[in-house]
Amino acid sequence: NAGVTQTPKFRVLKTGQSMTLLCAQDMNHEYMYWYRQDPGMGLRLIHYSVGEGTTAKGEVPDGYNVSRLKKQNFLLGLESAAPSQTSVYFCASSYSRNRVRTEAFFGQGTRLTVV
Amino acid sequence: AQSVTQLDSHVSVSEGTPVLLRCNYSSSYSPSLFWYVQHPNKGLQLLLKYTSAATLVKGINGFEAEFKKSETSFHLTKPSAHMSDAAEYFCVVSVVGNTGKLIFGQGTTLQVKP
Repeated sequence: NAGVTQTPKFRVLKTGQSMTLLCAQDMNHEYMYWYRQDPGMGLRLIHYSVGEGTTAKGEVPDGYNVSRLKKQNFLLGLESAAPSQTSVYFCASSYSRNRVRTEAFFGQGTRLTVV
Repeated sequence: AQSVTQLDSHVSVSEGTPVLLRCNYSSSYSPSLFWYVQHPNKGLQLLLKYTSAATLVKGINGFEAEFKKSETSFHLTKPSAHMSDAAEYFCVVSVVGNTGKLIFGQGTTLQVKP
C-alpha cells in the first residue's frame, strides 16, 4: 500500500527552467493538496483540488500551476523557476467521512533547489 | 478566518521528563484539530486528531492532547520524553467548508537531552 508518492525526491533547477512535480495517491481520496515548507513558516498551501478536473488557489499560488486530470494524480508545475521557489514541497490527500473532514496523508516530499 | 498559533518555536526537555507543546487556535466553528510530527528529512506523520468526539485525545507513541474550547487550546503532552521524540511538531486546524484545507502552525522543535 503505497499511500501518497511524490516524484522526484530531489531536483536542482536553473533560474528560468520549468519542471513538473508528480503526486500519486492510491487511496481513492477526493481531496489533494500541494504545500511548500520553508524554515520557520510551517507548511503553506499552494494549490488544492476537491475532485478530478477541479483545482483552486491556496495561500501562495503565484508562480505555480496545477492539474488534476485523473483522480489519483495531482501535478504541480513551475513554468519559470525562481530562487524564491527553493523549498521542500509536500503533496497530501484526504477524504471526508460522514461529512467530517479526516486527516491528510502526506508524501515524503520533494526537495527543490533553484540556482 | 481560522488560524493556529504554536506558542513556542523551540522546547528543550530532558529524557524521562514531561513534554508540553502549546497550541492555540482561532475558529468560528467547532474545528477539527490535528498534531503532526516530522522527523529530520522525513515526511509528516499524524500523531493524533480531534474531530468533535472526546475532548481528550490519545495518539501514537504515548502522546495525547486535550481540546479546551473555553481556552481555544489544543496542547500536546507526553508524560516521559524519549530521545526518539526529538522532531518538529505541527498543530493543524481544518478549514470549515468543502475543501478540507489544513492551516498549519509554524512548528515547534522539540529537543530531548540525555
